[in-house]
Amino acid sequence: AQTVTQSQPEMSVQEAETVTLSCTYDTSESNYYLFWYKQPPSRQMILVIRQEAYKQQNATENRFSVNFQKAAKSFSLKISDSQLGDTAMYFCAFVMWFGNEKLTFGTGTRLTIIP
Amino acid sequence: EPEVTQTPSHQVTQMGQEVILRCVPISNHLYFYWYRQILGQKVEFLVSFYNNEISEKSEIFDDQFSVERPDGSNFTLKIRSTKLEDSAMYFCAAGDRDTYEQYFGPGTRLTVT
Repeated sequence: AQTVTQSQPEMSVQEAETVTLSCTYDTSESNYYLFWYKQPPSRQMILVIRQEAYKQQNATENRFSVNFQKAAKSFSLKISDSQLGDTAMYFCAFVMWFGNEKLTFGTGTRLTIIP
Repeated sequence: EPEVTQTPSHQVTQMGQEVILRCVPISNHLYFYWYRQILGQKVEFLVSFYNNEISEKSEIFDDQFSVERPDGSNFTLKIRSTKLEDSAMYFCAAGDRDTYEQYFGPGTRLTVT
């Protein structure tokens, strides 16, 4: 079974600064996808970014980028120029490629952006 | 981003009552999921649904739960006899098999009293 670990329950950073959220996972599979989801106070789950395990290039989406280290099974999210609207819970998630397509989530990191 | 809708947004029910949670997934997606999130905890997988059949279910998804797609558009989750511990946020998601991205609805907050 796959597991996803987020070791930082809470983080805070000043507005406009850069913050990195950590995620590690455990799997014996070689083909999979990794995601970061954002959950603001409204509790809506919003997809932030996706990384395919077979790609060495790190994914980027505007101010959001990842550092994917497949050998270390690490998948961190970097938020640059943080904004007040980035305040939310952030969940790392894993899904296998082919077959078992359910998302396995980590426990989340509560990020607060301080004005 | 594609939109998944869910109704109701909040449901309060008494223990032992049946509830039906509804979802309208993205029309061209074929894979659907239900997840739940107990307040303050992580999001947990309940069941996946493809081609009008359950493709996988978790240990949480016991005989009290059922899913169906009665009219080809709505996707429902039924809890037959609710328990206090069923109180949670229930999310429906639609999956894109090409990208493996899953798009979540806004959720239904279920409160069992």
